[in-house]
Amino acid sequence: AQTVTQSQPEMSVQEAETVTLSCTYDTSENNYYLFWYKQPPSRQMILVIRQEAYKQQNATENRFSVNFQKAAKSFSLKISDSQLGDTAMYFCAFEAAGNKLTFGGGTRVLVKP
Amino acid sequence: DAGITQSPRHKVTETGTPVTLRCHQTENHRYMYWYRQDPGHGLRLIHYSYGVKDTDKGEVSDGYSVSRSKTEDFLLTLESATSSQTSVYFCAISDPLVANTGELFFGEGSRLTVL
Repeated sequence: AQTVTQSQPEMSVQEAETVTLSCTYDTSENNYYLFWYKQPPSRQMILVIRQEAYKQQNATENRFSVNFQKAAKSFSLKISDSQLGDTAMYFCAFEAAGNKLTFGGGTRVLVKP
Repeated sequence: DAGITQSPRHKVTETGTPVTLRCHQTENHRYMYWYRQDPGHGLRLIHYSYGVKDTDKGEVSDGYSVSRSKTEDFLLTLESATSSQTSVYFCAISDPLVANTGELFFGEGSRLTVL
């Protein structure tokens, strides 16, 4: 069974600065997807970024980028130029065959003005 | 936004009563899922379905049952609710034939409180 670990329960960052969220996972699979989802106070789950394991290039979506280290089974999320609207819970998730996501416990991010 | 509707959005019930949560989708996606969200645990898979009348257990299925008689509807039933089932429940959908990206699309969640 796959496991996903987010070791930082809570982080705070000043507006316009950068914050990095860590995520590690455990799997014996070779082909899989990794995701970061954002959950603002509205409770809606919003996909932030996605990484295919077979791609060596790190995914980037505007101010969000990942550092994917397959051998280390690490998948960190960097939020650059943090904005107040980035305040949310962030979940790392893993998916192998079967389209079933396994989630980490989440990291609460607070962006301070 | 994916057309996923969960009902009810909020429910308070008493221990021992049956509860059914409904997930309705208009996207014609084949796969549907029920997750529960609890502090410190993220989202955990309860049950999932790969098609009509094709369901299977997730990692936290005890005390829950599901049914899928139509592509668009996935029902989650708590036969006899317990306080440990107080949680926020999310429905999600996906279909690798529509978008083979692994992404799940989520409903807005249903908050259930069992007193």
